Amino acid sequence: AQSVTQLDSQVPVFEEAPVELRCNYSSSVSVYLFWYVQYPNQGLQLLLKYLSGSTLVKGINGFEAEFNKSQTSFHLRKPSVHISDTAEYFCAVSVLYGNKLVFGAGTILRVKS
Amino acid sequence: NAGVTQTPKFQVLKTGQSMTLQCAQDMNHNSMYWYRQDPGMGLRLIYYSASEGTTDKGEVPNGYNVSRLNKREFSLRLESAAPSQTSVYFCASSVEPGLAGDEQYFGPGTRLTVT
Repeated sequence: AQSVTQLDSQVPVFEEAPVELRCNYSSSVSVYLFWYVQYPNQGLQLLLKYLSGSTLVKGINGFEAEFNKSQTSFHLRKPSVHISDTAEYFCAVSVLYGNKLVFGAGTILRVKS
Repeated sequence: NAGVTQTPKFQVLKTGQSMTLQCAQDMNHNSMYWYRQDPGMGLRLIYYSASEGTTDKGEVPNGYNVSRLNKREFSLRLESAAPSQTSVYFCASSVEPGLAGDEQYFGPGTRLTVT
């Protein structure tokens, strides 16, 4: 079975500072990896995904993530955050067959002015 | 193009009452999903439907039933609500049945409280 661990439940950061949200996964088979964002009182929206190929994946809103197979990690980064990035971020995995997502517990990013 | 819509947005039930959460998508997607979101636990899959006419259990199916009414609609029923089912429920859809890595599109959620 797959599992996802998001290492920080909350990350406070000042506007224009860089941020990294950490995600580790465990799986006995190869997986696909995703980051979703949830703005207050809304559904989830896909930020980016890793399926294969380059381990550095670029997504929307200036976010990027790096897949590290040896460390089973998929950390999300942004070089300069804005107030509007305040949201909850979820890391998720799916196995190579079927499309059932397993989510981490989420990380709340709070951007302060 | 409304995407994924869910009704109702909010609901309060008493223990033992029943209700059906409705979900519809207008993107001609084949697969549909029901998740519940609880604080500190992320989203957990309740049931999914890979294609019209099929449904399968997810991680937390107990206490729920689903119906894939047609390609557009996928409903979630609570036959006898319990306080442990207090949660935010999300419906999602994706294009291809069983295609791993296919983006899932989420509805706005239904906030359910069971007293």
